[in-house]
Amino acid sequence: ETVMTQSPATLSLSPGERAALFCRAGQSVGINLAWYQHKPGQAPRLLIYGASARAADIPDRFSGSGSGTEFTLTISSLKSEDFAIYYCQQYDKWPWTFGQGTKVEIK
Amino acid sequence: EVQILQSGGGLVQPGGSLRLSCEASGFKFINYAMAWVRQGPGTGLEWVSAISGDGKASYYADSVKGRFTISRDNSKNTLSLQMNSLRAEDTAKYYCARAPNLRHSLDHWGQGILVTVSS
Repeated sequence: ETVMTQSPATLSLSPGERAALFCRAGQSVGINLAWYQHKPGQAPRLLIYGASARAADIPDRFSGSGSGTEFTLTISSLKSEDFAIYYCQQYDKWPWTFGQGTKVEIK
Repeated sequence: EVQILQSGGGLVQPGGSLRLSCEASGFKFINYAMAWVRQGPGTGLEWVSAISGDGKASYYADSVKGRFTISRDNSKNTLSLQMNSLRAEDTAKYYCARAPNLRHSLDHWGQGILVTVSS
């Protein structure tokens, strides 16, 4: 199984600040990596696929980078609606695996 | 508009069975792989199972292999998850989600449905 490790576990930031979330894969997953945003009581929402491609209707303040084992999700300037939990997921190898999540909270 | 409507959750005793369903609309169902993902109490997302658009390929997490069966009826645009021999650790909110294929991310999700395994 490909273990996905996210850091930090929690990120405390203010609106307008830049957020950088990290995801490390236990083995190379190429660019078969997605990022999701999850808010309480809502369905998860795809943000990024293919490590760096924004999903439909995702604002350009969200960007993804990386390949192989190291990936980053950057939110350039946090808005109030961005405070949520973010998960990375690899779909390169079975079983698909998610990271444990990074909570972005208001400072 | 893509819609994924889920049904079938509830309370079941350990060792019991439950069948989850989701009905899809707004897209050509057979052209998409489908998957189940769950979130236990206070935990993160866990992939459970996935199936190809034509239903010929399916995959399972080790934690559910041999107990859960994923299936689809492309004539009715429905996806199902038959869950047998349920355990307390299967208690979770279960999400049904769509993927363009089995080498792609999950681009649309249902709202989720709660399954509680308890005596």
